[in-house]
Amino acid sequence: DQQVKQNSPSLSVQEGRISILNCDYTNSMFDYFLWYKKYPAEGPTFLISISSIKDKNEDGRFTVFLNKSAKHLSLHIVPSQPGDSAVYFCAASGGGRDTGTASKLTFGTGTRLQVTL
Amino acid sequence: DSGVTQTPKHLITATGQRVTLRCSPRSGDLSVYWYQQSLDQGLQFLIHYYNGEERAKGNILERFSAQQFPDLHSELNLSSLELGDSALYFCASSLGPTSGNTIYFGEGSWLTVV
Repeated sequence: DQQVKQNSPSLSVQEGRISILNCDYTNSMFDYFLWYKKYPAEGPTFLISISSIKDKNEDGRFTVFLNKSAKHLSLHIVPSQPGDSAVYFCAASGGGRDTGTASKLTFGTGTRLQVTL
Repeated sequence: DSGVTQTPKHLITATGQRVTLRCSPRSGDLSVYWYQQSLDQGLQFLIHYYNGEERAKGNILERFSAQQFPDLHSELNLSSLELGDSALYFCASSLGPTSGNTIYFGEGSWLTVV
């Protein structure tokens, strides 16, 4: 059961334009959401997060939007740069009274972003 | 640099052997997590330790075990290795055990079983 889904395996965007990466989740107990950027054979790098009590969080060129009623979040990158080309993972935590279970991350399958010149 | 250190970075071993992967969490972090990424799969949660105690188990095989030591570093032991165990193994750490703590990942240990 895939509790976190990224339905677009890839996305191509021109440099300077907006990149929008989407993520859907099914577990209503998730209360913390994160986006990670990953290059091949490297560890995921934390980008930005959002708590379920918010609907928007912004950090420089990165903004994450959360729509709890739709169980949907998105990452906006503006403006997109060639260095942003990587695989982006959406992750979520929460989901149980056991604090150990609540903290682990459930990852989506990733979206490969290609920023072209 | 996330501050999470993993060794070794690369490891090649034969089937049936046993290996140990080591992880030092970020300074001040008490939680350590282990994840596995195979070629055809995403990041799969294996196990979580907080301040030396096991807190949660995920898709971890019985041939695998882990522990977190008093100095908070952690080791993941993989035994009776099979070809299918070839993967990237990531260690991650966070300050606390609960949801809302950002989890930072190391660079990974690439295990190849031949």
